[in-house]
Amino acid sequence: GESVGLHLPTLSVQEGDNSIINCAYSNSASDYFIWYKQESGKGPQFIIDIRSNMDKRQGQRVTVLLNKTVKHLSLQIAATQPGDSAVYFCAETGSGSARQLTFGSGTQLTVLP
Amino acid sequence: KAGVTQTPRYLIKTRGQQVTLSCSPISGHRSVSWYQQTPGQGLQFLFEYFSETQRNKGNFPGRFSGRQFSNSRSEMNVSTLELGDSALYLCASSLGVRVGADTQYFGPGTRLTVL
Repeated sequence: GESVGLHLPTLSVQEGDNSIINCAYSNSASDYFIWYKQESGKGPQFIIDIRSNMDKRQGQRVTVLLNKTVKHLSLQIAATQPGDSAVYFCAETGSGSARQLTFGSGTQLTVLP
Repeated sequence: KAGVTQTPRYLIKTRGQQVTLSCSPISGHRSVSWYQQTPGQGLQFLFEYFSETQRNKGNFPGRFSGRQFSNSRSEMNVSTLELGDSALYLCASSLGVRVGADTQYFGPGTRLTVL
């Protein structure tokens, strides 16, 4: 199957700064994308999602941007806090009747004091 | 509303044995998906169950199987364990209305170690 990849495996930011985590996907037919956060010893936690009929979606301190032209997804975290330190995964579900979540390799976000 | 629960949280087995993992979805969710997470392969889809039927399947050998009960609880079984089966096994539940396109909520996982 097609894969979803992340540009950077690690990202360090200062507390209070904004974070941007990027993701490239390869299945141009994908119509649903999700960002998950996984803390050590825990399962992935849903952060925000976006469907292909949207370019941008905002949540609490998080924004997801979707650029279908270049098949790029990004997660922006405003005013990054120590509790944001985790691995972030993007996932896409492809299209058609047998869709499944395909995850990227993850980005380790570290928030520096 | 209670989240997805998985039991047991940790498991140690030896090669050749079999193991059964359990997952209870969020109340009202009818779809349960299973994933394997390893450092080398990342998160990989195993299979999805909806209304007691396997609706989708990933690229794993037949040693990996699952089932779903009428109350939506699900179990997965791995037979003839191999060292490479050591992983975190994650269960996710969703409403299941849109195949593969409903938000999936994950449990804490079962850490399986095969010796």
